[in-house]
Amino acid sequence: DAKTTQPPSMDCAEGRAANLPCNHSTISGNEYVYWYRQIHSQGPQYIIHGLKNNETNEMASLIITEDRKSSTLILPHATLRDTAVYYCIGHTGNQFYFGTGTSLTVIP
Amino acid sequence: EAEVAQSPRYKITEKSQAVAFWCDPISGHATLYWYRQILGQGLELLVQFQDESVVDDSQLPKDRFSAERLKGVDSTLKIQPAELGDSAMYLCASSFSGNTIYFGEGSWLTVV
Repeated sequence: DAKTTQPPSMDCAEGRAANLPCNHSTISGNEYVYWYRQIHSQGPQYIIHGLKNNETNEMASLIITEDRKSSTLILPHATLRDTAVYYCIGHTGNQFYFGTGTSLTVIP
Repeated sequence: EAEVAQSPRYKITEKSQAVAFWCDPISGHATLYWYRQILGQGLELLVQFQDESVVDDSQLPKDRFSAERLKGVDSTLKIQPAELGDSAMYLCASSFSGNTIYFGEGSWLTVV
């Protein structure tokens, strides 16, 4: 599975869009990009995943570059409850490797 | 919505004692995972089951940790004897076929 690189922390103003980047330059053609988040003291929560095309669900949007070497998770209108650690993962069906992720703080 | 169930939610035990955690995955999920997360750190995979078989336990400290999934459904993770460094959150997760995994709320262990 591809190694991913994320900034350790980010801030976002409440009500604004939060754009969380992820670099996965070594991703292989059949690896999906998954995003999870972990709110303090809870288990990680699945957000979204994609392979090549951009994806959107009720929680977020996932934008994957055409070369698939990076992606961005977009929370369109961040709320205080979105404060969490966000993990970007490259996955082919084996182990899910959770790195240290990005700690997002939504500021009132 | 189906969830991964874990118990106990919190456990305090003295070092050298035995402790066990239980997990009931989402119905129909053949793959089950146990992760450990020390406070402030990332998730470490301890063991992965496919049905009742262990697929990966390379990071499981086998001198004191054991895991079983006898009937391929629920699973138990045991630590004996517990050490101070075992204080962490133990997370169970499951997936249908190695794809999207869903986590339980975790079991917090404090060893004193």
